[in-house]
Amino acid sequence: NAGVTQTPKFRVLKTGQSMTLLCAQDMNHEYMYWYRQDPGMGLRLIHYSVGEGTTAKGEVPDGYNVSRLKKQNFLLGLESAAPSQTSVYFCASSRGGNQPQHFGDGTRLSIL
Amino acid sequence: GQNIDQPTEMTATEGAIVQINCTYQTSGFNGLFWYQQHAGEAPTFLSYNVLDGLEEKGRFSSFLSRSKGYSYLLLKELQMKDSASYLCAVSPPGGYQKVTFGIGTKLQVIP
Repeated sequence: NAGVTQTPKFRVLKTGQSMTLLCAQDMNHEYMYWYRQDPGMGLRLIHYSVGEGTTAKGEVPDGYNVSRLKKQNFLLGLESAAPSQTSVYFCASSRGGNQPQHFGDGTRLSIL
Repeated sequence: GQNIDQPTEMTATEGAIVQINCTYQTSGFNGLFWYQQHAGEAPTFLSYNVLDGLEEKGRFSSFLSRSKGYSYLLLKELQMKDSASYLCAVSPPGGYQKVTFGIGTKLQVIP
């Protein structure tokens, strides 16, 4: 039972490069989320999805795009990476809005 | 909007009891989550309080007072493995709820 799987686990990018972070869940959850976690800032919501084919902006969406083409997958894209996007990124899923969220192990992203 | 306050760090002794407080000011409130996060790992769910009062789960208990905008997590019989950050998170009512997380309280358990 994998739960929530994130790939890659680590990545170093140069400023201006693009990449996609992948998140997959096998719990048939409707809701999926992307957070970033920075020291002293806590978890901040980037984008979220309440079902296949839907996405919405969270607290800090600028510089990121997302897609939810399949219920089990939620992709986070950085079109032109900036040093300010250096962070740990967590994907999570839940059955509903007021249900516990299950988190992936995180992606540690450094942008030089 | 949501504003959540937690102490940044706490230290407690193995075998003791520790209480981690969380206060919140929100434009709407449905319930409050507590998550545990060990260093370098993902957050894991501990509890969710909707009604006032204390809920106990083994060594961990969580309390909520909706009128005071206050919650606490109580850890009994502390073990070294309880050293972690504890995140308080608030969910507002209605439709899709965008949960807002506090910055977390880093608990260090010492021998």
